[in-house]
Amino acid sequence: DTAVSQTPKYLVTQMGNDKSIKCEQNLGHDTMYWYKQDSKKFLKIMFSYNNKELIINETVPNRFSPKSPDKAHLNLHINSLELGDSAVYFCASSQEWAGFTDTQYFGPGTRLTVL
Amino acid sequence: EDKVVQSPLSLVVHEGDTVTLNCSYEVTNFRSLLWYKQEKKAPTFLFMLTSSGIEKKSGRLSSILDKKELFSILNITATQTGDSAVYLCASRGGAQKLVFGQGTRLTINP
Repeated sequence: DTAVSQTPKYLVTQMGNDKSIKCEQNLGHDTMYWYKQDSKKFLKIMFSYNNKELIINETVPNRFSPKSPDKAHLNLHINSLELGDSAVYFCASSQEWAGFTDTQYFGPGTRLTVL
Repeated sequence: EDKVVQSPLSLVVHEGDTVTLNCSYEVTNFRSLLWYKQEKKAPTFLFMLTSSGIEKKSGRLSSILDKKELFSILNITATQTGDSAVYLCASRGGAQKLVFGQGTRLTINP
């Protein structure tokens, strides 16, 4: 009974390719996030959507484009992959954007390796 | 810019020891501080702290927040090998995003 799920779990691809990572949450949450975790385990937010609307867009190359078809899904598309994009990408969700329930629940992560 | 700093970055102790992990933060319009445990996969939620001086406890783990000095500690008593993980601290401020620290890698040796 997965709360936040991501596909694929592992993604190995060549430089220059375009790839997508999908995320789904069945918690009924309003807000979803994408994080990047580098090799030093540093988690950094990339994007946040609240009810399908982009709320946070950190300084991320425009090769990264999130898309939220509905509030249960937040996908991440990456164009022209570069070596530096290799990382683990985590999706997360939380109940509200501006409420007091700030707990975020994380998906299992997608390990992206760019060769 | 909002910032969260954890210390130590790495800690190795023996089973049964008590450990204290530190987290200091600088965030604008502080709202909450969260602790996560990350083993091989996704970070899993441990505690959320919003008020100073109120200890939150879950089994052998406890955490407390000091909003005056801008830090939090996570205590683990009678450590077990299963406590080995990276412990992440994150703070949420007025920008409404979680800012994570670099994590503390805790290793418990039998």
